[in-house]
Amino acid sequence: GQQVMQIPQYQHVQEGEDFTTYCNSSTTLSNIQWYKQRPGGHPVFLIQLVKSGEVKKQKRLTFQFGEAKKNSSLHITATQTTDVGTYFCAGRMNTGFQKLVFGTGTRLLVSP
Amino acid sequence: EADIYQTPRYLVIGTGKKITLECSQTMGHDKMYWYQQDPGMELHLIHYSYGVNSTEKGDLSSESTVSRIRTEHFPLTLESARPSHTSQYLCASSPRGASGSREQYFGPGTRLTVT
Repeated sequence: GQQVMQIPQYQHVQEGEDFTTYCNSSTTLSNIQWYKQRPGGHPVFLIQLVKSGEVKKQKRLTFQFGEAKKNSSLHITATQTTDVGTYFCAGRMNTGFQKLVFGTGTRLLVSP
Repeated sequence: EADIYQTPRYLVIGTGKKITLECSQTMGHDKMYWYQQDPGMELHLIHYSYGVNSTEKGDLSSESTVSRIRTEHFPLTLESARPSHTSQYLCASSPRGASGSREQYFGPGTRLTVT
């Protein structure tokens, strides 16, 4: 079946360090979305990437969509304790309902 | 913040009981979804709906059923709860958009424990 994998599964950084999570799909995607889920909370939409090679920035967060539209990355510069949570990519499939398939998630812990 | 509500937030129930998890949204969104999420794990789509009187099963096999009689309401029912149903259930909705590519807004979730 369609799979979206993320690495690493977990990362613990010191405040101020950078962080990157990578997302890889087994199939080509029509677009990709990123969500953040705080501990005990629900996923909250961050951004959507549509075009091959697209790069978008939100303050300290940089999102990239691969040229082949099968992978994506989220980079956080100078992490803060408020960045703690699990980051999920979600790939929109090209077929039928164009369902969203969520990645396995990367849990980020930031120590002050 | 999106207006999507789920009740109850927490539920502990015995095996064999029938339960209904409620989900309502006030944004007039056409599409609604139910996901199952174990702690720290990915979300699995169990049901979705394009609109009123439209329901489909998702990827994860589920013994639950859903209905969509009104745009704003998308309840999920378990006819006979089992311990394997213990999980968090997240409801989401999204507006209609070009090629269906719109973000999803999630409710706070229902944490279900079946004893």
